[in-house]
Amino acid sequence: DVKVTQSSRYLVKRTGEKVFLECVQDMDHENMFWYRQDPGLGLRLIYFSYDVKMKEKGDIPEGYSVSREKKERFSLILESASTNQTSMYLCASSHAGGRKTQYFGPGTRLLVL
Amino acid sequence: AQSVTQLDSQVPVFEEAPVELRCNYSSSVSVYLFWYVQYPNQGLQLLLKYLSGSTLVKGINGFEAEFNKSQTSFHLRKPSVHISDTAEYFCAVSDLHAGGTSYGKLTFGQGTILTVHP
Repeated sequence: DVKVTQSSRYLVKRTGEKVFLECVQDMDHENMFWYRQDPGLGLRLIYFSYDVKMKEKGDIPEGYSVSREKKERFSLILESASTNQTSMYLCASSHAGGRKTQYFGPGTRLLVL
Repeated sequence: AQSVTQLDSQVPVFEEAPVELRCNYSSSVSVYLFWYVQYPNQGLQLLLKYLSGSTLVKGINGFEAEFNKSQTSFHLRKPSVHISDTAEYFCAVSDLHAGGTSYGKLTFGQGTILTVHP
C-alpha cells in the first residue's frame, strides 16, 4: 500500500520561529511536492522537487524553502513563521511525468500565533 | 500557464439524487485532467483522470467525468450519491508543454464541497 507520511498532524508555533515540516514517501517516487491549502483557494503549489537535491519554485514560494537530501524525504522550512502562514500543508509524491497520479499525505495543520 | 475554475463552491444534495460538479480549465496546450477527493481530516486521493482516448472516464465509487475539449470542461457526475460521498472535490490540470514534456505539476481548482443530506 502506497504511503506518504507527514511528521505532524497539528503544530502550533510562535511568530518568528523557524518551522520544519517533514514528508516521507515509501514508493521510490522521483517527484515530491509541497502544497498549501486554504478555504476557497484550493491547493497552491509552494515548491516541488523532481530529483534529490533538485528543487523548483511553485506558485507561492515566498517565505518558504525546501530541502531534499534523500529521495524519500522532502522538507518544507518556514525560516521565520508569520501569522499569514497559518494553513494546512499537504505533501504529495509521484513518479515522473504528467500522467502520473500524485499521492498525498494526511496534512499538517499549522497555527502561527 | 494553465488555470482551473470550479464553478460551485458548495453543492448540497439529497441522498440517492444525481450530482454534477463543474470544472472548466484554460490552457494553450493539451492537458491531462484529474479529479481528487478529500474526505474530512484526510489528504487527497485520486477519483479519476483523463489522459487521452475516450472522453468519458470512469473512476472509483461510481463517479465518472466527461472531457469536452470544445468547451474546455471536465465535469464530474454521479447518478446516485450516498452520505459517504460528503467531501471536498478538487479538479486539477497537469502541466503539459509543447512537445509532450511534463514535470507532473498540478494546478488545482478552488474546490467544491459536496454535502449529501439524508
